[in-house]
Amino acid sequence: KAGVTQTPRYLIKTRGQQVTLSCSPISGHRSVSWYQQTPGQGLQFLFEYFSETQRNKGNFPGRFSGRQFSNSRSEMNVSTLELGDSALYLCASSLRSVTEAFFGQGTRLTVV
Amino acid sequence: AQTVTQSQPEMSVQEAETVTLSCTYDTSENNYYLFWYKQPPSRQMILVIRQEAYKQQNATENRFSVNFQKAAKSFSLKISDSQLGDTAMYFCAFMKGNDMRFGAGTRLTVKP
Repeated sequence: KAGVTQTPRYLIKTRGQQVTLSCSPISGHRSVSWYQQTPGQGLQFLFEYFSETQRNKGNFPGRFSGRQFSNSRSEMNVSTLELGDSALYLCASSLRSVTEAFFGQGTRLTVV
Repeated sequence: AQTVTQSQPEMSVQEAETVTLSCTYDTSENNYYLFWYKQPPSRQMILVIRQEAYKQQNATENRFSVNFQKAAKSFSLKISDSQLGDTAMYFCAFMKGNDMRFGAGTRLTVKP
C-alpha cells in the first residue's frame, strides 16, 4: 500500500507570491491533516479535512487555506507569502479520525 | 488549551543501552490519546507508540515502551537496547478529537 505522498518535495517562492501544496493520502483514508514545522515554533496544526469538509482549524491567518477533493486528495494554499512562512509542511492521513496518523515526507517551502 | 512539554531538547545514549525521554502535558480532558513520533533525517514522521488515556496498561512496541502516569500527566518513552537507527527527533503528541498538539521534540543521538 502506497504511503502518504506530498508534492513537490522542495519549493522556492518569492515574497508576495502564492503557493499550492498537494497531499495524496493512503488509499481509503478520508482524513487529511496539515502541519507546519519550523525550528522556532515546532510542529503546529494547520487544519484537518474529512470527506471534503474542514473539521478543525489551527490558529493560522486566513492566508492559509485548504481543500479536499472527492478522492480525499488535499491541497493547501498560502497566499501573499511572507518570509516567516518558510517551513516544512507535513501532511498526515488517517482512516477516520486522527487516532493513528501516517505522515508524508513533507514539502520544504523556502520564501525569499 | 492543551500543551505538551518535552523538557529535554537533546539526549544521547550508547548503543545497546536504555534511554528515557520525558513528556508532560496539560489538559482538563479525561479521554484522549498520546503518541510518540520519530522523525529521522529523512523528515518523515513515524508513529512509534500510542496510548489511549482510558487504558491503565502501559503500551509496548518491541523495544519501545511508555510510562503513562495519568494523574501526573506524564508520558515518558523508554527505548531499550538502543540502536544506531534510533537516532532521530522524537515528538510527544496529545490528541483530543481531531486536534493533535506536539511537543518541541527531543533530539536523540545513539552513539556507537
